[in-house]
Amino acid sequence: GENVEQHPSTLSVQEGDSAVIKCTYSDSASNYFPWYKQELGKRPQLIIDIRSNVGEKKDQRIAVTLNKTAKHFSLHITETQPEDSAVYFCAASIRAAGNKLTFGGGTRVLVKP
Amino acid sequence: EAQVTQNPRYLITVTGKKLTVTCSQNMNHEYMSWYRQDPGLGLRQIYYSMNVEVTDKGDVPEGYKVSRKEKRNFPLILESPSPNQTSLYFCASSSKTSRMYNEQFFGPGTRLTVL
Repeated sequence: GENVEQHPSTLSVQEGDSAVIKCTYSDSASNYFPWYKQELGKRPQLIIDIRSNVGEKKDQRIAVTLNKTAKHFSLHITETQPEDSAVYFCAASIRAAGNKLTFGGGTRVLVKP
Repeated sequence: EAQVTQNPRYLITVTGKKLTVTCSQNMNHEYMSWYRQDPGLGLRQIYYSMNVEVTDKGDVPEGYKVSRKEKRNFPLILESPSPNQTSLYFCASSSKTSRMYNEQFFGPGTRLTVL
């Protein structure tokens, strides 16, 4: 089955700097890659996603890139703010397989003011 | 308000005492899933359902059962809980036909402790 690895497990950045989280996946059939943000004590919420026919997608300060050949994708947060402090999860799935998502282990991001 | 609800939110129980965690969604979603969240392991799928009476195992199904008799409900059953099932559990639902095809909407979570 699919295996998703996520790095780093913790990331501390200064407010205003950029943060980058990287994920690799194993199943070349995966074609949907969402990113979820989980604030302390809250439920995970989708922040951005990318499909395999797109190499990059941007939404304000966050962007995701996908390299299908290398089977890795990354989340980029620019101009980080204290409210970006949370745990971020990447995931991969095969669209035709319904909602079978495989998640990475998570990255705890701390933005220091 | 569109939402996924879970009950109970917190539960402390003892080894071997059967329990059920309920999950309900009001968005008419076809797909529903159960995940457990453990530190460093992310969210791991326990079971999922693609529609009424259609369920399948996820990555960590041992020790769990589910049923999907109605579209809106997807209860998680632990017939004989053990301490290694102490975890944070999330139910999630998603639509087969929405533009955000695979976006999963998560419930608030159930923190289970098995002594």
